[in-house]
Amino acid sequence: DTAVSQTPKYLVTQMGNDKSIKCEQNLGHDTMYWYKQDSKKFLKIMFSYNNKELIINETVPNRFSPKSPDKAHLNLHINSLELGDSAVYFCASSPGTSTYEQYFGPGTRLTVT
Amino acid sequence: QKEVEQDPGPLSVPEGAIVSLNCTYSNSAFQYFMWYRQYSRKGPELLMYTYSSGNKEDGRFTAQVDKSSKYISLFIRDSQPSDSATYLCAMDYGGSQGNLIFGKGTKLSVKP
Repeated sequence: DTAVSQTPKYLVTQMGNDKSIKCEQNLGHDTMYWYKQDSKKFLKIMFSYNNKELIINETVPNRFSPKSPDKAHLNLHINSLELGDSAVYFCASSPGTSTYEQYFGPGTRLTVT
Repeated sequence: QKEVEQDPGPLSVPEGAIVSLNCTYSNSAFQYFMWYRQYSRKGPELLMYTYSSGNKEDGRFTAQVDKSSKYISLFIRDSQPSDSATYLCAMDYGGSQGNLIFGKGTKLSVKP
């Protein structure tokens, strides 16, 4: 069983489109995250979210929005895609307050043309 | 000065060698120190985490944290070709925000 899964694995789309990436975790964790890994492999947090609190990295454009239908899912919706959004997006989760113990999904490689 | 500095490598060693990977950091408020391994086109995988200063061992892997020097290390003994990956250090302030700060990763290649 995959602990943290993401769909799709690859996403190719044109500038200006709106797209969503889905994330599911079956670990029973309380907190989920979205990260962006750029072409230089630098991994940077975008959001952290549990059922109480959404924390947004202030550098993230408001075109990006997390949506959580339930505790096991945290989707990432992106409006008006730009070339600079091309990257690998990783979902992660952590148990309870152990936010230092994060488990990552396999990533979604987004290419904006 | 970046919060977390990590030499990107690449680092190439022969099979069986002892590998030393390191990170330095600038913020003394960090409390948790993690090492992740990332294979090509895969998600990061948590190897070990350490709270505050000290050593932690898990099989062939040993993590060391020296808070006084703001320096952390990961040692891999008897390295194997399957250890070839990018190793990312990460740090956390603790608390509920879970805002891990990652180094840029060191790419390791272990040659048979």
